[in-house]
Amino acid sequence: EIVLTQSPDFQSVTPKEKVTITCRASQSIGGSLHWYQQKPDQSPKLLIKFASQSISGVPSKFSGSGSGTDFTLTINSPETEDAATYYCHQTSTLPWTFGQGTKVEIK
Amino acid sequence: QVQLQESGPGLVKPSETLSLTCSVSGGSISSTDYYWGWIRQPPGKGLEWIGSIYYSGSTYYNPSLKSPVTISVDTSKNQFSLKLSSVTAADTAVYYCARHSSTWTIDYWGQGALVTVSS
Repeated sequence: EIVLTQSPDFQSVTPKEKVTITCRASQSIGGSLHWYQQKPDQSPKLLIKFASQSISGVPSKFSGSGSGTDFTLTINSPETEDAATYYCHQTSTLPWTFGQGTKVEIK
Repeated sequence: QVQLQESGPGLVKPSETLSLTCSVSGGSISSTDYYWGWIRQPPGKGLEWIGSIYYSGSTYYNPSLKSPVTISVDTSKNQFSLKLSSVTAADTAVYYCARHSSTWTIDYWGQGALVTVSS
């Protein structure tokens, strides 16, 4: 199965800083990489699909990039409401897999 | 607006079968545009895809799961179900039902159901 490794596991930033989370796949997955946000005691929410495609209703401060094996989720000017755990997810090859998650704290 | 709701026992004994049902409202489970799946999350841990089903009954399972899995669909009730056999404490998790788009992104999630495996 394809292993997705996220870094860092934890990131603490101030509202003026940019959040950058990377996701590395154990083999090429083209652009079939998606990002989810999960707040405490909530279900995950789709933020970005196919590496860089925006989702209706998701603020433009969330953006994604990458292809092949290396992907990045960026949150510009994060706010306290963006404190959450972020997961990458691949749908290139069965079984579908997720990264281990990156917890983001906004100080 | 599509809504998904999990239901089933919150406590299962070791070696028994975990059974959950997902009721779909606001949309038809028979739509040719979507797949329907189960994802779980052990307490304090990450997400694991269990398996998915198409309205026709075609199934896709994660071979990494140690407990045998069966996912079925009941189009007359607009529901799909999960059975996990011979469970152990390692199967304790929040179980989410979800809708996949035709390209497999997960666009809707249920609220999740905590199932504890304990005697």
